[in-house]
Amino acid sequence: DAGVTQSPTHLIKTRGQHVTLRCSPISGHKSVSWYQQVLGQGPQFIFQYYEKEERGRGNFPDRFSARQFPNYSSELNVNALLLGDSALYLCASSFGLGNQPQHFGDGTRLSIL
Amino acid sequence: AQRVTQPEKLLSVFKGAPVELKCNYSYSGSPELFWYVQYSRQRLQLLLRHISRESIKGFTADLNKGETSFHLKKPFAQEEDSAMYYCALEFSGGSNYKLTFGKGTLLTVNP
Repeated sequence: DAGVTQSPTHLIKTRGQHVTLRCSPISGHKSVSWYQQVLGQGPQFIFQYYEKEERGRGNFPDRFSARQFPNYSSELNVNALLLGDSALYLCASSFGLGNQPQHFGDGTRLSIL
Repeated sequence: AQRVTQPEKLLSVFKGAPVELKCNYSYSGSPELFWYVQYSRQRLQLLLRHISRESIKGFTADLNKGETSFHLKKPFAQEEDSAMYYCALEFSGGSNYKLTFGKGTLLTVNP
């Protein structure tokens, strides 16, 4: 198993554009979470999805949205990009909800010019 | 609101010395706590969780509800323990899941 896979690995966008990041969980995992990590900080929770439903949301503006597909893969969408959105976006999957180890991907490095 | 504080950004010890990475949390409910580790050029991965009460790679962590702490300890540090360590607090209630990470402590074990 390749583990959690994310695409693309790197992305450069300009202010005002939108972006879609993709994540494939470990086979058998039904939960996917998204995190933003800026340099020098720990990962900051954005969303969790379980069985295609949103189960948690962090303190991020409505420009951030996500969804989970029937095959449990997920997309994170960010609209009207700002310079401050430049960060590493991590995806993690787990088997279920609650007290489950999170298995992280390598992340997508998003740079906003 | 839940919060995780790791007061040391950097920690440097010599091989064979004891190591303690501090983690304090703020949470009104019953906490679920984790330590995650990121070795150089590797993915962030789970090191241990308090509910398991297990020792992983010689590390242990005890939940102290009175002091709201979950410090990570190892009696004899090894060079391969050099990594970034994150403490994390989980809230899981209905449709309101959240996992909060601290800012992390970079541990360097010198030969």
